[in-house]
Amino acid sequence: AQTVTQSQPEMSVQEAETVTLSCTYDTSENNYYLFWYKQPPSRQMILVIRQEAYKQQNATENRFSVNFQKAAKSFSLKISDSQLGDTAMYFCAFMKPGGSQGNLIFGKGTKLSVKP
Amino acid sequence: DTGVSQDPRHKITKRGQNVTFRCDPISEHNRLYWYRQTLGQGPEFLTYFQNEAQLEKSRLLSDRFSAERPKGSFSTLEIQRTEQGDSAMYLCASRSPWDSAMNTEAFFGQGTRLTVV
Repeated sequence: AQTVTQSQPEMSVQEAETVTLSCTYDTSENNYYLFWYKQPPSRQMILVIRQEAYKQQNATENRFSVNFQKAAKSFSLKISDSQLGDTAMYFCAFMKPGGSQGNLIFGKGTKLSVKP
Repeated sequence: DTGVSQDPRHKITKRGQNVTFRCDPISEHNRLYWYRQTLGQGPEFLTYFQNEAQLEKSRLLSDRFSAERPKGSFSTLEIQRTEQGDSAMYLCASRSPWDSAMNTEAFFGQGTRLTVV
């Protein structure tokens, strides 16, 4: 069974600075997807960034980038130039591709606070 | 149709009562998921529908839980004889029918927060 571990329950960062959230996972699969989802207070979860395991290049989306280390089963999220609107819970998630399912396996989350 | 909608947003019920939640996915999405999220935890998968067929159920889905998606559009999640341990946020998500790297995103609703007193 796959597991996802986020070892940082809470983090804080000053506005405009950079922060890295950690995620490790365990799987015997060779092909899969990894995601970071953001859940702002009282709002729905939205996708921040995704990574396909077969791609060696790290995904980037504007101020968000990942450091994907497949051998180490590590998938960290870097947020550059942090903004107040980045304050949220961040969840790392794993998904097996293909087939008819595609349910996500989530970590426990990291609560990020961006301070002015 | 701007996203996944869930109703109600909040529900307070007495222990032993039955409750039903509704999820309306994005209209062209044939895949629908229910998750449960308790305080301090990430969402945990409950069940999955492809069109009207319920294809997978988690062991978390006890006999008191039942989910339906009768016409392959909206879905309902019913909890019978609620217990305090059922208090949680119940999230619904939907996905595109097309399997590709670009269609892996799950779109979530705002959730239904259930409090059992």
